Amino acid sequence: NAGVTQTPKFRVLKTGQSMTLLCAQDMNHEYMYWYRQDPGMGLRLIHYSVGEGTTAKGEVPDGYNVSRLKKQNFLLGLESAAPSQTSVYFCASSYSRGQETQYFGPGTRLLVL
Amino acid sequence: AQKITQTQPGMFVQEKEAVTLDCTYDTSDQSYGLFWYKQPSSGEMIFLIYQGSYDEQNATEGRYSLNFQKASKSANLVISASQLGDSAMYFCAMREGKDSNYQLIWGAGTKLIIKP
Repeated sequence: NAGVTQTPKFRVLKTGQSMTLLCAQDMNHEYMYWYRQDPGMGLRLIHYSVGEGTTAKGEVPDGYNVSRLKKQNFLLGLESAAPSQTSVYFCASSYSRGQETQYFGPGTRLLVL
Repeated sequence: AQKITQTQPGMFVQEKEAVTLDCTYDTSDQSYGLFWYKQPSSGEMIFLIYQGSYDEQNATEGRYSLNFQKASKSANLVISASQLGDSAMYFCAMREGKDSNYQLIWGAGTKLIIKP
């Protein structure tokens, strides 16, 4: 099993450009999450999904959109990138709300110039 | 108000010594869970240990144990016999009950450096 994978691993964008980060999991997990990690701070939840076709806002959703068209994939979109979105983005998944552990992908480092 | 507080931004510990990483939390829920994750310099987040609020015994996983003090709302991570490979960032996180939709709330982390 690959677990949770993320593509790309690293990306540089210019302000105003758009991009999509892909997260895929092969553990048949219901719940999936997108976090961002900034220096000196813990992870902050951007959006999450409790199942295929559903999404919900987390703590810092502004400037991001998500889609969960297939159970195994969770996409994070930036429509018009801003320098404040420079961060490391982590995807995670968990089996259900009753399954406590979230399993993380390796992260995507995004630099917005 | 901070829901998860890790008061030690950084720690230096001699190899083979035990180390305690502090975590205090704030919640009004009766049902909640506490987690510790490790993030080495390579960047991945590795789950270490979990403690449920109704668990009567402190959680243990190999060299990791969680010192859970419900009354004082602390969930300190104890690493016994530290190793050089334990050098990493350590994050404490909390899952509150259903009203929060089971989201994880994270502390700012503690950077642990093990000295040879």
